[in-house]
Amino acid sequence: AQSVTQPDIHITVSEGASLELRCNYSYGATPYLFWYVQSPGQGLQLLLKYFSGDTLVQGIKGFEAEFKRSQSSFNLRKPSVHWSDAAEYFCAVSDYNFNKFYFGSGTKLNVKP
Amino acid sequence: GAGVSQSPSNKVTEKGKDVELRCDPISGHTALYWYRQSLGQGLEFLIYFQGNSAPDKSGLPSDRFSAERTGGSVSTLTIQRTQQEDSAVYLCASRFKVGGPYEQYFGPGTRLTVT
Repeated sequence: AQSVTQPDIHITVSEGASLELRCNYSYGATPYLFWYVQSPGQGLQLLLKYFSGDTLVQGIKGFEAEFKRSQSSFNLRKPSVHWSDAAEYFCAVSDYNFNKFYFGSGTKLNVKP
Repeated sequence: GAGVSQSPSNKVTEKGKDVELRCDPISGHTALYWYRQSLGQGLEFLIYFQGNSAPDKSGLPSDRFSAERTGGSVSTLTIQRTQQEDSAVYLCASRFKVGGPYEQYFGPGTRLTVT
């Protein structure tokens, strides 16, 4: 069955430091992968997505993610975190026809000044 | 154009009462989803509508939960005889079905508190 694991529930980084949020998925076929961000009291906003092609994808707000099939991972990175990046981040995988989306339990990011 | 909208933004209800939550998807989006997000949890899939096809109700947790989508647009999620464990944020999302983009666009959610 499809599933997404985000092993880190909370992460705290200092402003200006680099960030990597982990995501591992379980899916039998070629996955379609997404990262969303949720600010307090808001819905989810798409940061980036991977369907095929270049395994390093660029998204909004300076985020990028790398698809590694051998590790079943799709980790999110940012070279220099800003205080406004404090939010909750969700990784998701979709089935082949985009009917069903499976979300991880989220990683809450705190940014220290 | 406008994004996905949901109403009310907050709802407090007494245990045992029925509630209705509304979702207005983005115009032209034929696929619509409801999710539940409990405190500290990820998104729990509830139901999926696609055009005129029968909805995928496989995520509804009990028969107290139901949803409909009128005219292929607005959707209402109804919870009957609410219980305290129903307290959560209910998120609606929509997307294009044909031609993409295929990612979901989310509304701001309805925070439901059952007292």
